[in-house]
Amino acid sequence: NAGVTQTPKFRILKIGQSMTLQCAQDMNHNYMYWYRQDPGMGLKLIYYSVGAGITDKGEVPNGYNVSRSTTEYFPLRLELAAPSQTSVYFCASTQGEVAFFGQGTRLTVV
Amino acid sequence: EDQVTQSPEALRLQEGESSSLNCSYTVSGLRGLFWYRQDPGKGPEFLFTLYSAGEEKEKERLKATLTKKESFLHITAPKPEDSATYLCAVLGGSNYKLTFGKGTLLTVNP
Repeated sequence: NAGVTQTPKFRILKIGQSMTLQCAQDMNHNYMYWYRQDPGMGLKLIYYSVGAGITDKGEVPNGYNVSRSTTEYFPLRLELAAPSQTSVYFCASTQGEVAFFGQGTRLTVV
Repeated sequence: EDQVTQSPEALRLQEGESSSLNCSYTVSGLRGLFWYRQDPGKGPEFLFTLYSAGEEKEKERLKATLTKKESFLHITAPKPEDSATYLCAVLGGSNYKLTFGKGTLLTVNP
């Protein structure tokens, strides 16, 4: 039981490049979330999903896309990376009582 | 829109000096209020979930309480290893969004 696994841990992108941040959980949780965390700004919700095939926008969805074809995986796609997307990205999953986070992906766009 | 406000933003304590952190919230149909601990460079670590007003949970030197408008995280006789950022989040009943506050940075000096 690995919990929530995020890959990669670190990435440097050039402006205009695209990439996918991977998130996997092995706890059969229905609810999954993507957040970004900027210094002193707390966690801002990008997208979330309440189950396979269902996704919805959070507070800051522009520039991102998600898919949820299975319960286990919830990838986050960045299209045309911009310096404003430099941040630490966290994936989380929850099923009622307990909520788990991955260890984060530190992304720098230069 | 769900909102979470944490206070103070930062708190500095001497070892053994007890205190409380506050989390005020507005949410449509609370499904759960979560407390997390986050150490620098790491993902948030789950501490507690509270579901209804009057509920209390304890873990070592930490005790979380919940009212209809706010939650408190009481820290009794803290130690330097309790130094971290403490995050509060609410799970809304109408939309299943997990919304975070900006956190309280706790520093415990020996």
